[in-house]
Amino acid sequence: KQEVTQIPAALSVPEGENLVLNCSFTDSAIYNLQWFRQDPGKGLTSLLLIQSSQREQTSGRLNASLDKSSGRSTLYIAASQPGDSATYLCAVVNNAGNMLTFGGGTRLMVKP
Amino acid sequence: NAGVTQTPKFQVLKTGQSMTLQCAQDMNHNSMYWYRQDPGMGLRLIYYSASEGTTDKGEVPNGYNVSRLNKREFSLRLESAAPSQTSVYFCASSGAGPQYYEQYFGPGTRLTVT
Repeated sequence: KQEVTQIPAALSVPEGENLVLNCSFTDSAIYNLQWFRQDPGKGLTSLLLIQSSQREQTSGRLNASLDKSSGRSTLYIAASQPGDSATYLCAVVNNAGNMLTFGGGTRLMVKP
Repeated sequence: NAGVTQTPKFQVLKTGQSMTLQCAQDMNHNSMYWYRQDPGMGLRLIYYSASEGTTDKGEVPNGYNVSRLNKREFSLRLESAAPSQTSVYFCASSGAGPQYYEQYFGPGTRLTVT
């Protein structure tokens, strides 16, 4: 059974800092990996999708990398802002393409 | 373009009552999903529908039924609610199955069963 782990569970940084969120998964037979953002009491917003054949994806200040063989992905946030405060979730799609497994999330707080 | 919409936003049920959670998407997506989110358990897939007319069980299907009414709508029914079903329920959709396209989520339904 696929297990997805996110470290750290919570992170507090001062504004302007560059930071890295980690995601690891136990079964490397995945189709893709997706990073989401969730604000308190809200739904999930898709940030980046990395196909299993890709190594990284970029969107603005966000860069996500994928190392399928080692079962790891990182989300890099450059020049963090208070508006980046949210919970960040990673999820992987299994080899059959019919199951999305989520990590527990990293709760990020960026202090002004 | 509203994306994925869910109704109701909040609901309180007594044990044994039934209810249906509604979900609709206007992105012409083939696949739709129902998840529940619980503290300490993360998001877990209840049921999904890869295309109109098909549904399949996810990780935690017990106590739930689903209906893919048409391409736009996918409903989740609790026949006899239990306190263990207190959770936040999210509906999502994607273009051609999760293996290629991003999943887009609705705002959620917060359900409390007393």
